[in-house]
Amino acid sequence: QKEVEQDPGPLSVPEGAIVSLNCTYSNSAFQYFMWYRQYSRKGPELLMYTYSSGNKEDGRFTAQVDKSSKYISLFIRDSQPSDSATYLCAMSAGDYKLSFGAGTTVTVRA
Amino acid sequence: EPEVTQTPSHQVTQMGQEVILRCVPISNHLYFYWYRQILGQKVEFLVSFYNNEISEKSEIFDDQFSVERPDGSNFTLKIRSTKLEDSAMYFCASSEDMGAGNTEAFFGQGTRLTVV
Repeated sequence: QKEVEQDPGPLSVPEGAIVSLNCTYSNSAFQYFMWYRQYSRKGPELLMYTYSSGNKEDGRFTAQVDKSSKYISLFIRDSQPSDSATYLCAMSAGDYKLSFGAGTTVTVRA
Repeated sequence: EPEVTQTPSHQVTQMGQEVILRCVPISNHLYFYWYRQILGQKVEFLVSFYNNEISEKSEIFDDQFSVERPDGSNFTLKIRSTKLEDSAMYFCASSEDMGAGNTEAFFGQGTRLTVV
């Protein structure tokens, strides 16, 4: 079983739709959970950071962590064409090393 | 807004040659990292560096790789004898010392290494 699994997509949604992304993981030691956005041939850009279980909201973005199910989600409300990118989940056990998912490519159609 | 900067953006090298990839982390950050992403694959951890020494490294980071903080601002990754399979995007990242292994890491734009 892979340490971090992420729905590969691709995902195509109309402008204004809610985008739902998720990852599952197998390592119960993971405590820190992140979502990065990556445009083609660019570096990952940190979007959301959460510690342990719970929800976190930042503007149009909501991150959810359910440690009991080993499942994390990112929701993008009122999606815009500029949200078109690859979204990467990443997580850490507190050892300063991030484990990434493979990424989900999202296209928001105008 | 502070950012991690990497140079060069693209490096082409012949197999067997040495390359040095350079990074300037965010100035108040204390932890530094290198990751790589082979085209079409996931981002993979290579090494973390703190207090002038390697704190953790992956199986990928073998004797061909080394890291150095030669002065107060730069952080470098050296590949001694490049192989075709080293072709990838290499990302430098840095994070503050927020304790308890907090890894809110900020990434640079990457160096695309092509080994021919």
